[in-house]
Amino acid sequence: GENVEQHPSTLSVQEGDSAVIKCTYSDSASNYFPWYKQELGKGPQLIIDIRSNVGEKKDQRIAVTLNKTAKHFSLHITETQPEDSAVYFCAAGANFGNEKLTFGTGTRLTIIP
Amino acid sequence: EAQVTQNPRYLITVTGKKLTVTCSQNMNHEYMSWYRQDPGLGLRQIYYSMNVEVTDKGDVPEGYKVSRKEKRNFPLILESPSPNQTSLYFCASRQGNDNEQFFGPGTRLTVL
Repeated sequence: GENVEQHPSTLSVQEGDSAVIKCTYSDSASNYFPWYKQELGKGPQLIIDIRSNVGEKKDQRIAVTLNKTAKHFSLHITETQPEDSAVYFCAAGANFGNEKLTFGTGTRLTIIP
Repeated sequence: EAQVTQNPRYLITVTGKKLTVTCSQNMNHEYMSWYRQDPGLGLRQIYYSMNVEVTDKGDVPEGYKVSRKEKRNFPLILESPSPNQTSLYFCASRQGNDNEQFFGPGTRLTVL
């Protein structure tokens, strides 16, 4: 089955700086890669996703890059703000068969004012 | 408002006492899942359902049961809870394999 590794487990950055979280996956059949943000006391919420037919996607201060050859994808947050502090999860899944998404172990991002 | 609801939000119980955590979605989604979240382990899928009366095991199904009698509801049943099932549980739903997955607010379960 799919295995997703996520690094780092914790990350602290100064407000205004950039943050990068990296994930690797094992199953070459995976073609859907979402990122979720989980705020304290809440369920994870989708912030951006990318499909295997593109290498990069951007939404305002958030971007995701995908390298299918190397089987890794990354989340980039620029101009970080205090409200970016949360736990972030990457996930990988295939666009066929069952509904399964495999999640990484999460990154606790802290923005230092 | 499109949402996934779970009840209860918090539950403390004792070993062996059967319990059910309810999950309901109002988006007419076909796919529903249950996850547990544990420190350092991320989100692990317990069971999933692709449609009414269609359920299958995820990565950590031992000690859990589910049912999908109606499209909107997907309850999680612990027939004989044990302390190692103390965790934060999330229900989720989505329409297709690569569409946004919506999570419920979570149920924090403690088994003494």
